[in-house]
Amino acid sequence: EIVMTQSPATLSVSPGERATLSCRASQSVGSNLAWYQQKPDQAPRLLIYGASTRATGIPARFSGSGAGTEFTLTISSLQSEDFAVYYCQQCNNWPYTFGQGTKLAIK
Amino acid sequence: QVQLLESGPGLVKPSETLSLTCTVSDYSITSGYYWGWIRQPPGKGLEWIGSIHHSGSAYYTTSLKSRATISVDTSKNKFSLKLSSVTAADTAVYYCVRDQSREVPAIDWGRGTTVTVSS
Repeated sequence: EIVMTQSPATLSVSPGERATLSCRASQSVGSNLAWYQQKPDQAPRLLIYGASTRATGIPARFSGSGAGTEFTLTISSLQSEDFAVYYCQQCNNWPYTFGQGTKLAIK
Repeated sequence: QVQLLESGPGLVKPSETLSLTCTVSDYSITSGYYWGWIRQPPGKGLEWIGSIHHSGSAYYTTSLKSRATISVDTSKNKFSLKLSSVTAADTAVYYCVRDQSREVPAIDWGRGTTVTVSS
């Protein structure tokens, strides 16, 4: 089973600044990597798939990059609604696996 | 817009079997790629449980493989999760999801249903 490791566990950033979240896979997952955003008491929503493609309706300030084992989610110019928990998930091999999440907090 | 709705008991006794159903609306389950279950224990992260194709082919996470069974009923446009021999560690919000393709997982989510394991 592929282990996904996210860092940092918590990231404190001021509104308007850039946030960079990392996700590492224990073995190559190609580009089959997705990012999700979860706000309190809500179901997660898909942000990015294929490592870098934004899902429908996701603002352009969200971008994903990487391939193989190292991936990054960047949120440029943070808005108040972006403070949430973010998860990465590999969908290259069964069983699919999630990272433990990064909480993006207001500084 | 695909609608997914989880249903099932909110309280299950230890050692019993947890049973949940996901009803799919506005989309044929036979048109989908895979349909899955994901759970989230209180205050913790997401755990992928397993997924099933409408043909019946299913995959499970390693830690639950011996206790989890996902099935599909194409005639009712539903799929289900059974988790046997539950303990308090199985207390969680359970979500059903639609995978659009291998590259696009969990594009649609249900609202989630809370299951508590307690006597």
